[in-house]
Amino acid sequence: QSALTQPASVSGSPGQSITISCTGSSSDVGGYNYVAWFRQHPGKAPKLMIYDVSNRPSGVSSRFSGSKSGNTASLTISGLQAEDEADYYCSSYTSSTTYVFGTGTMVTVL
Amino acid sequence: EVQLVQSGAEVKKPGESLKISCKASGYTFGIYWIGWVRQMPGKGLEWMGNVYPADSGTRYSPSFQGQVTISADKSITTAYLHWSSLKASDTAMYYCVRRGYDFDYWGQGTLVTVSS
Repeated sequence: QSALTQPASVSGSPGQSITISCTGSSSDVGGYNYVAWFRQHPGKAPKLMIYDVSNRPSGVSSRFSGSKSGNTASLTISGLQAEDEADYYCSSYTSSTTYVFGTGTMVTVL
Repeated sequence: EVQLVQSGAEVKKPGESLKISCKASGYTFGIYWIGWVRQMPGKGLEWMGNVYPADSGTRYSPSFQGQVTISADKSITTAYLHWSSLKASDTAMYYCVRRGYDFDYWGQGTLVTVSS
């Protein structure tokens, strides 16, 4: 069960938009609408930012949006802010009735 | 308010056994899967497995099947992660997570250090 593939790092200036990709296969990302995104600040527990591909939990800023096309899901952060600097992980349900996380992406606000 | 409160940090020797806990509150414990996620030092998140407290049904990642045991006691709304024989490579932070809207609530983490 291989981890989903994410870019190691993405950066942007304050106010800009960035997009993080998450590539899997038809057995996970492409096969189910159970893709989620998590933000993790250093030394903290991860926090759910997007669930079921494109839904935001209560309290999460509308600057965060999710989408999916084929075997690749994406997280877009618009209006980048200093507080968005963190590690981001995607996850997906799989055909083996298990879950898999992505490799993680470090977001840097320039 | 949903809360998952994990037991404290542990320092153990290789070969020793260990059970860490995750006390849930603020929701109906039995009807949500609850699982464990490993994060090795400086590395990413790895899903280990889930337990369904209502019937103690479990699912494991192939990477962790046979290496750990996940259980739950619904009478005290607590989930557990157990090792029978620790290895140095088990050194990591371990998070419990509720499966509601995906992994919507996380514990604060339990740091397990295995060293001779």
